[in-house]
Amino acid sequence: GAGVSQSPSNKVTEKGKDVELRCDPISGHTALYWYRQSLGQGLEFLIYFQGNSAPDKSGLPSDRFSAERTGGSVSTLTIQRTQQEDSAVYLCASSLESRVSGEQYFGPGTRLTVT
Amino acid sequence: AQKITQTQPGMFVQEKEAVTLDCTYDTSDPSYGLFWYKQPSSGEMIFLIYQGSYDQQNATEGRYSLNFQKARKSANLVISASQLGDSAMYFCAMREIGTGNQFYFGTGTSLTVIP
Repeated sequence: GAGVSQSPSNKVTEKGKDVELRCDPISGHTALYWYRQSLGQGLEFLIYFQGNSAPDKSGLPSDRFSAERTGGSVSTLTIQRTQQEDSAVYLCASSLESRVSGEQYFGPGTRLTVT
Repeated sequence: AQKITQTQPGMFVQEKEAVTLDCTYDTSDPSYGLFWYKQPSSGEMIFLIYQGSYDQQNATEGRYSLNFQKARKSANLVISASQLGDSAMYFCAMREIGTGNQFYFGTGTSLTVIP
């Protein structure tokens, strides 16, 4: 079956522009996560959606970052007024939230470069 | 406090030898899951192995095994008979049922297999 997909795979934008990153989770997965990974670094949690519950936004680094998940499926991460420090790979993952043993399935990531 | 601690930023192992990657965790939740992921230079995150907090036996998946020491809050990954293709970043992660199935990742260990 289809895995997690993300688009675009690469995005180059000018400082100050807004960008939207898209994630299509695995069908039936009710949990969806966004992470940021800077070059050579670990995963930085950004936001987590679980079913119809309010999202956990505790990892968003500033109010320039926002995310939504429509219809419990597709999610969009929006970064407004991008800064050079926003350059990173943005990873999306989905999981069956009903089981603690449910591993995350990751998408291929979106590499964002802010010039 | 860090939920997941990986103290080895870089490790080297001779091909065909075994290697242990360390991971300690911090939780007061009795129900949790521990995961290991591999991230090759291509960037995708690959699920390797899972250990549940109530599992009596150490998890094994092929050449991967998890040395689970609950009292010490330790979940080390053991890779037997290392292969050149094992060279990658390895991330330890934990999921707590009590915090709404949030995932916590360590900072990773870079493993290099030497021919």
